[in-house]
Amino acid sequence: AQKITQTQPGMFVQEKEAVTLDCTYDTSDPSYGLFWYKQPSSGEMIFLIYQGSYDQQNATEGRYSLNFQKARKSANLVISASQLGDSAMYFCAMRDRNNDMRFGAGTRLTVKP
Amino acid sequence: GAVVSQHPSWVICKSGTSVKIECRSLDFQATTMFWYRQFPKQSLMLMATSNEGSKATYEQGVEKDKFLINHASLTLSTLTVTSAHPEDSSFYICSARGLASLSYEQYFGPGTRLTVT
Repeated sequence: AQKITQTQPGMFVQEKEAVTLDCTYDTSDPSYGLFWYKQPSSGEMIFLIYQGSYDQQNATEGRYSLNFQKARKSANLVISASQLGDSAMYFCAMRDRNNDMRFGAGTRLTVKP
Repeated sequence: GAVVSQHPSWVICKSGTSVKIECRSLDFQATTMFWYRQFPKQSLMLMATSNEGSKATYEQGVEKDKFLINHASLTLSTLTVTSAHPEDSSFYICSARGLASLSYEQYFGPGTRLTVT
């Protein structure tokens, strides 16, 4: 069974600084996808970034980058130049061959002015 | 990106009654739909997966007779919470993928907040 672990219940970052949100995963399936979503207080799930297990390069999307270390089974999200609007819950998720997407416990990020 | 809608966005019902939540894919054919439940300050927990025209596959611990899922068409899935109790109060989110969806594509609805009094 797949498992996704986010060990940081809460993180604080100063505005304009970078922050790393941790995510580790466990699966026996060689083919899987890793996702990061942002959930503001409104509850909507906002897709941020995706990394496929066979992708050779780390994914990047604007200020978001995914530090994919396959051997360590980690997929940390790096947010550069934090903005006040980045304050939200962040969820790491994985989908394997079963096609089910499952989520980690989440990290609440607070950006301080 | 593709749009998934949910209706209603919030609902209050009395204990013992049933409530239906609709999930629609607006601009693509959703061959697979997923239903999640999220309690306050917790993560999204997968309840069930449904493929169009097939019976839903429920996660362990989710009562299929209590949470009825119907995926009768490629654009509509419904979740009916039967004989609701206060402990069923939660945020319910649907998600959908199409046959032609790329690896990174999975679209989420805006969620339905259910309060059972």
